[in-house]
Amino acid sequence: QVLLQESGPGLVKPSQTLSLTCTVSGGSVSSGDYYWSWIRQHPGKGLEWIGYIYYSGSTSYNPSLSSRVTISVDTSENQFSLKLTSVTAADTAVYYCARASYNWLSGRWFDPWGQGTLVTVSS
Amino acid sequence: DIVMTQSPDSLAVSLGERATIKCKSSQSVLHSSNNKNYLTWYQQKPGQPPKLLIYWTSTRESGVPDRFSGSGSGRDFTLTISSLQAEDVAVYYCQQYYSTPYTFGQGTKLEIK
Repeated sequence: QVLLQESGPGLVKPSQTLSLTCTVSGGSVSSGDYYWSWIRQHPGKGLEWIGYIYYSGSTSYNPSLSSRVTISVDTSENQFSLKLTSVTAADTAVYYCARASYNWLSGRWFDPWGQGTLVTVSS
Repeated sequence: DIVMTQSPDSLAVSLGERATIKCKSSQSVLHSSNNKNYLTWYQQKPGQPPKLLIYWTSTRESGVPDRFSGSGSGRDFTLTISSLQAEDVAVYYCQQYYSTPYTFGQGTKLEIK
């Protein structure tokens, strides 16, 4: 059973960089079968796909965030990470990591998800 | 971007009664190469991450009770709970995985009447 767990600071100051890591257990980020994703949920709101990464380092980002987002993968640590620069209060959200199938013809829903971590942007 | 619009925003149904949630996409999510609709449904309970319920519009994830069913094609989709149970109280989201950026509906909050 694959488990994902987010970690990182719960409080970030405006204009700084939000950095989160997702640790994968029970599976490998080096699997060629999956993309590794970040999704966020503003308090009391809906879900927003941020982007994903393949083990090779290939990425795809939501254009709404692409100028500020970097997703990277560390296969030696079985982790992948999110960096979001120049944050504002609008970036306050629960951030989830999740897995999606690499093969688009096989479907690309998100499963499983991590438990999520709340990041608050405030001075 | 494909915009996903759910209706209603909230819904109160009596225990044992049917609950129906609609999801409409701004463009078709039916792919001609495999004749599949790239549409999934999630259930989110308070304090928990979304849980995959249904994929390919109508395929239930393993372990999901058969009172949950999905239907639709093209731009119009429906999630039906045939006989509402107390544990079904949650927010339900549809999501398209036809094209990036992958997008979700705004959610439908389901409560007990």
